[in-house]
Amino acid sequence: SQQGEEDPQALSIQEGENATMNCSYKTSINNLQWYRQNSGRGLVHLILIRSNEREKHSGRLRVTLDTSKKSSSLLITASRAADTASYFCATLYGGSQGNLIFGKGTKLSVKP
Amino acid sequence: NAGVTQTPKFRVLKTGQSMTLLCAQDMNHEYMYWYRQDPGMGLRLIHYSVGEGTTAKGEVPDGYNVSRLKKQNFLLGLESAAPSQTSVYFCASASGGAGETQYFGPGTRLLVL
Repeated sequence: SQQGEEDPQALSIQEGENATMNCSYKTSINNLQWYRQNSGRGLVHLILIRSNEREKHSGRLRVTLDTSKKSSSLLITASRAADTASYFCATLYGGSQGNLIFGKGTKLSVKP
Repeated sequence: NAGVTQTPKFRVLKTGQSMTLLCAQDMNHEYMYWYRQDPGMGLRLIHYSVGEGTTAKGEVPDGYNVSRLKKQNFLLGLESAAPSQTSVYFCASASGGAGETQYFGPGTRLLVL
């Protein structure tokens, strides 16, 4: 199946540092979303960026979208231990009849 | 406002047994989804529904059936469980399709022996 692929698979940083995760995808999309999953929990929606948008902010989160490179990045600034989680990108393809395709995720560990 | 709830939270089955996972949402959402999550595989869509009385196949539908008799409920059935169906199952709902925000339940952990 066509998936977004997150990079890196795992990331370990110190509290206060910034964390950057990347997502690459294969074909043109309608929108791209980022979700967070705490261990043992369901996914929580973070942010949605549409194909005609280049950047979006939400609190300490900044998402960019480069449709020419078919990639997106999620930046978490001034990370906290509570940001420790897995982060997934999800893409909606034009012909997908409205279904999201999830990547395999980046596991972020923020050490206090 | 409970959001999306799933029952049970955890279940152990023997190969060949059947069971039904229940998903309920109180947000009046039209769209509902069932995913499975396996280590290193991300989430894969099993079945989905675009409204009461409708269902459709996702990426990995084999071995599962679903029903959406009421708008707020989406049931996932395993008729004859297999060890390959050991996974964590997540239900999600959305107000619209076309990639709108999905709201997830807490998951059901299923172990098939």
